[in-house]
Amino acid sequence: GEDVEQSLFLSVREGDSSVINCTYTDSSSTYLYWYKQEPGAGLQLLTYIFSNMDMKQDQRLTVLLNKKDKHLSLRIADTQTGDSAIYFCAEMRNTPLVFGKGTRLSVIA
Amino acid sequence: DSGVTQTPKHLITATGQRVTLRCSPRSGDLSVYWYQQSLDQGLQFLIQYYNGEERAKGNILERFSAQQFPDLHSELNLSSLELGDSALYFCASSGLGTGGYQETQYFGPGTRLLVL
Repeated sequence: GEDVEQSLFLSVREGDSSVINCTYTDSSSTYLYWYKQEPGAGLQLLTYIFSNMDMKQDQRLTVLLNKKDKHLSLRIADTQTGDSAIYFCAEMRNTPLVFGKGTRLSVIA
Repeated sequence: DSGVTQTPKHLITATGQRVTLRCSPRSGDLSVYWYQQSLDQGLQFLIQYYNGEERAKGNILERFSAQQFPDLHSELNLSSLELGDSALYFCASSGLGTGGYQETQYFGPGTRLLVL
């Protein structure tokens, strides 16, 4: 299909790891992105991965890319209450970004 | 702070009216993008400008128009407003608008539009 797919909700306990999954559609997408949106706020770029990479690590964030399955995941280690937000996966088709509907992460203290 | 600024932060208006949303890109960025975020449609790309010229068009209604000025700021004009136009409108900017890592888009805080 045409859509970037994400599960809508994820709930984890503080200190645990969170894994947010995304399935994208265009195998020619060059970059894939994760953005974070806190309540009432804009979109904050978290990280991105180039399509010729399998993995990218940035502090508590690990991005895994499976090009064969068009599957992208974001792992947040040691999840904190401040990580509670909506996380958007996006693929770049030419220059505009195509976003998933977002995964709402709730962190339980 | 992404370096992208948008004004106003909030806008309340009535059906049939016209509004203008303003965006200033990050220093040095030539490309500006407009996105609409609504509950039912999610984040949708509207239009892209690169150095004053329209570069790409998405799901932008004919009632909406945009432009990018010589100083690279951009305005999104929404006219004959309907209730369904109520949404969060984001502006983003990127370096060159031509591909590669320069394409990473940085988003402004958004303008929340409420049409009554």
